[in-house]
Amino acid sequence: DAKTTQPNSMESNEEEPVHLPCNHSTISGTDYIHWYRQLPSQGPEYVIHGLTSNVNNRMASLAIAEDRKSSTLILHRATLRDAAVYYCMEYGNKLVFGAGTILRVKS
Amino acid sequence: GAVVSQHPSRVICKSGTSVKIECRSLDFQATTMFWYRQFPKQSLMLMATSNEGSKATYEQGVEKDKFLINHASLTLSTLTVTSAHPEDSSFYICSARGGGRSQPQHFGDGTRLSIL
Repeated sequence: DAKTTQPNSMESNEEEPVHLPCNHSTISGTDYIHWYRQLPSQGPEYVIHGLTSNVNNRMASLAIAEDRKSSTLILHRATLRDAAVYYCMEYGNKLVFGAGTILRVKS
Repeated sequence: GAVVSQHPSRVICKSGTSVKIECRSLDFQATTMFWYRQFPKQSLMLMATSNEGSKATYEQGVEKDKFLINHASLTLSTLTVTSAHPEDSSFYICSARGGGRSQPQHFGDGTRLSIL
């Protein structure tokens, strides 16, 4: 079963930043935190991952709490193409998907 | 970025038919590949994990004789749904990883399987 907790849905305005939270209170010390997103009828797309330090890439930023029990995915300027289901997962040997957060972006 | 190709994208066939789905990593060597299934409006469910040259490890409740997985090379894994029935209709998605868990998984675009 999925070990992370995410809000069912969030809404954002286009061109504004979006902060997607995730709780992973039972994460082990060696598990990575991974984020993926999925558009309808497509396979998931890798977004970002990290272990302890905050991470930035061309798609997003990942802020990891000091105790690693939570993290936040930051989309700096949401576009309509960012509307998707976002999944955060603790990554030991395999990815176990939870329900994720449905992100809606309004124009 | 890393590319995983999945083929075919859609299959429609009669009940009792066996269906083979291919998953290829195009620009990296996939030491581990994963197979997922997704029903409408649900999340992905992991079916099995396969390492190149080894037998696949199936998740609880997944019939290994029903869903045959072969990972014969570092760039190809196949899933064969044997004697498919309407309840096997689903969206099947593969993913591949090039290294350990510090590496991301890269997903194919999925195969929509419809059994009549």
